[in-house]
Amino acid sequence: DTEVTQTPKHLVMGMTNKKSLKCEQHMGHRAMYWYKQKAKKPPELMFVYSYEKLSINESVPSRFSPECPNSSLLNLHLHALQPEDSALYLCASSRGGLQPQHFGDGTRLSIL
Amino acid sequence: KQEVTQIPAALSVPEGENLVLNCSFTDSAIYNLQWFRQDPGKGLTSLLLIQSSQREQTSGRLNASLDKSSGRSTLYIAASQPGDSATYLCGKTSYDKVIFGPGTSLSVIP
Repeated sequence: DTEVTQTPKHLVMGMTNKKSLKCEQHMGHRAMYWYKQKAKKPPELMFVYSYEKLSINESVPSRFSPECPNSSLLNLHLHALQPEDSALYLCASSRGGLQPQHFGDGTRLSIL
Repeated sequence: KQEVTQIPAALSVPEGENLVLNCSFTDSAIYNLQWFRQDPGKGLTSLLLIQSSQREQTSGRLNASLDKSSGRSTLYIAASQPGDSATYLCGKTSYDKVIFGPGTSLSVIP
């Protein structure tokens, strides 16, 4: 069982929909991350939150909007996505810095 | 630009064989090197982390080594089993960023 929980596991949405991905960890980690992974490719970093503040945004389009309501939760709000945004979205957490990152099982997102 | 490469891209071995997966990277700045396993459609499972000051880590049948001078890490899997079939990714961690290699897809044939 993973210590980082992501919901939903699967999501199918149209290009005009608004939906949110959720991530939760109870390991007391101060850093949380969103990654995007396309098929047969490695994960690519999207956002990093450190102490509930956005510290890294890897030039992600504004149709992806992250939110960190508290130290245990991380959301990714989705709006007006494109078919090329279909991917596996992974959440991770760590103590920060050089400490190991722990990953959830991801949300498989399909845009129709 | 930091780059992480892995060879081979794919590997198929009979059960019981010992095998080595390779990871190479540019830029010798302070970092940790983390090895992950990913099963199809799943998230990443951390296998081993080697800190910048260390040379190797072991966990069960897995041994990972790090040579900073040459920019290389290897993951050694002893006595491979069909359950080891997965994609193995190495990741170079430098202050809140992990840069992943493209992965090695491993198939262990019973």
